[in-house]
Amino acid sequence: EAGVAQSPRYKIIEKRQSVAFWCNPISGHATLYWYQQILGQGPKLLIQFQNNGVVDDSQLPKDRFSAERLKGVDSTLKIQPAKLEDSAVYLCASSLEYGVDQPQHFGDGTRLSIL
Amino acid sequence: AQKVTQAQTEISVVEKEDVTLDCVYETRDTTYYLFWYKQPPSGELVFLIRRNSFDEQNEISGRYSWNFQKSTSSFNFTITASQVVDSAVYFCALNAGGTSYGKLTFGQGTILTVHP
Repeated sequence: EAGVAQSPRYKIIEKRQSVAFWCNPISGHATLYWYQQILGQGPKLLIQFQNNGVVDDSQLPKDRFSAERLKGVDSTLKIQPAKLEDSAVYLCASSLEYGVDQPQHFGDGTRLSIL
Repeated sequence: AQKVTQAQTEISVVEKEDVTLDCVYETRDTTYYLFWYKQPPSGELVFLIRRNSFDEQNEISGRYSWNFQKSTSSFNFTITASQVVDSAVYFCALNAGGTSYGKLTFGQGTILTVHP
């Protein structure tokens, strides 16, 4: 079974520029998550989708971050404009269903550096 | 609110030593799940185990074992006869109900270094 695919692996941009990350979840997984992991910390949930609907985006800085999951499969996370504090690893995860018992399976992440 | 605390920031051991990683959690929900993940230098978070709040049986999988104690809100992870390949950051996480339903709350992580 193929795992969660993310691209790009690394991205370096200057502040105020825009950037987009792409995620393809495990086939058949209905729930998709985006996490932000700042160096030395645990991942923090930004947004979660159930199929193509948003379940929770309470931690997403909506003035600069946006995410979509068209057709309930792939997802894109965008930052516009980027700030220095956005430097982090952005992790995508998926689970078979939506629930407290669901193991989440993670991709390799995108390491974003803001200059 | 949910909270997970991993008090050990870094642990360093020599190969073949046993090591225990501590995890303490807080939640008001009676139904919840606890997880352990491993994050090697490559960056991917690897799922290791899931335990629900109603099952306090300890679990062993090869060199790995987990001790869940509801009375102390702890879910500790022991690696027996550690190996260099065990070097990674280990995260404990909680998934409970209420406003955090379906959301994993992670601890800060413990960096484990196993020296040859």
